[in-house]
Amino acid sequence: NAGVTQTPKFQVLKTGQSMTLQCAQDMNHEYMSWYRQDPGMGLRLIHYSVGAGITDQGEVPNGYNVSRSTTEDFPLRLLSAAPSQTSVYFCASRELFGTDPNGYTFGSGTRLTVV
Amino acid sequence: GQQVMQIPQYQHVQEGEDFTTYCNSSTTLSNIQWYKQRPGGHPVFLIQLVKSGEVKKQKRLTFQFGEAKKNSSLHITATQTTDVGTYFCADAGGTSYGKLTFGQGTILTVHP
Repeated sequence: NAGVTQTPKFQVLKTGQSMTLQCAQDMNHEYMSWYRQDPGMGLRLIHYSVGAGITDQGEVPNGYNVSRSTTEDFPLRLLSAAPSQTSVYFCASRELFGTDPNGYTFGSGTRLTVV
Repeated sequence: GQQVMQIPQYQHVQEGEDFTTYCNSSTTLSNIQWYKQRPGGHPVFLIQLVKSGEVKKQKRLTFQFGEAKKNSSLHITATQTTDVGTYFCADAGGTSYGKLTFGQGTILTVHP
């Protein structure tokens, strides 16, 4: 059982370039989300999805797009990278309707540097 | 939106000492979750508290939810070097979507 898989683990982009961060989970979780982590600021929600075809914005959505065509995959697209998007990005998923108080399962993260 | 304040930001202890981190909110929290993130790693779910005044234990870790559901704490008894990392509390929200709002985290270092 792989859990949540993120690729790539590291990435360096030039300002203005675009790229897609991949996230896949094999636990049949309805809920998937993207967070960014910056020093001293905890984790901030970028976008989330409660099922295939349904996405919504979180706290810091500007400069990012998402789509959810399948239950398993939730890619995050950077449209035109800026140095302010240098961060560690985490994908997380959870079961929405389980009876146990379950937490979120996080991927191992993507460390992105924009120069 | 809901803001969750976590203190202290840093804590340095000698191995064997106790450690506590606190999570506070100006409004009532629905559910509180706690996560641990090892240096260079990703957050790992520890526990969820739901009921007012709830206390849960996991070995040397004790989690409490305040009576008014506006604060929570994590206490580690007799720290070990394996406890090193950042501890986050997160408000799990009141909807079935369960969006997490994280506190800033407490970075714990343990000196052997």
